[in-house]
Amino acid sequence: AQTVTQSQPEMSVQEAETVTLSCTYDTSESDYYLFWYKQPPSRQMILVIRQEAYKQQNATENRFSVNFQKAAKSFSLKISDSQLGDAAMYFCAYRSSSYSGGGADGLTFGKGTHLIIQP
Amino acid sequence: EAGVAQSPRYKIIEKRQSVAFWCNPISGHATLYWYQQILGQGPKLLIQFQNNGVVDDSQLPKDRFSAERLKGVDSTLKIQPAKLEDSAVYLCASSSRINQPQHFGDGTRLSIL
Repeated sequence: AQTVTQSQPEMSVQEAETVTLSCTYDTSESDYYLFWYKQPPSRQMILVIRQEAYKQQNATENRFSVNFQKAAKSFSLKISDSQLGDAAMYFCAYRSSSYSGGGADGLTFGKGTHLIIQP
Repeated sequence: EAGVAQSPRYKIIEKRQSVAFWCNPISGHATLYWYQQILGQGPKLLIQFQNNGVVDDSQLPKDRFSAERLKGVDSTLKIQPAKLEDSAVYLCASSSRINQPQHFGDGTRLSIL
């Protein structure tokens, strides 16, 4: 079974600064997807960014980028120019490819990191 | 496009009572998921449907939890009887098909007294 570990229960950053959230995972599969989700107090999980394991290039979405190290099984999220609206819980998640999982593609989540933005 | 709809938003019951949650996925989405999120943890998959068939229910406590997706659209998740440890947020998600991004609803917060 796959596991996802987020070792930072809480992180704090000044507005406009850069912050990096850490995530490591364990899997024996070679083909999979990794995600970062944001969960504000409204509880809805919002997809921030995703990475396909077969792609060496790190994904970017505006102010959000990842550092994907497949051999080290590490997948960190960098948020540049932090804004007050970025404050939320951030979850790292893993998903098997549908080919290797027989169609089962539910997400495996870490415990989350609470991101605080200081004005 | 309307998002994933869930109801109720909150539910409070006593232990050993029954409860049901409802989910309406995004129109046309064939795949539907139920997750349980206990306070301080990430969501855990309970069950995945593809149309009205079950793809994965390996983490569903089948002695007390049941779920159905009749006609391959709406879904209900039931707990009978509820235990204190079932206190959690129950999230529903849908995707257009397997291997596509999952869109989440706002969840139902269940409190067991």
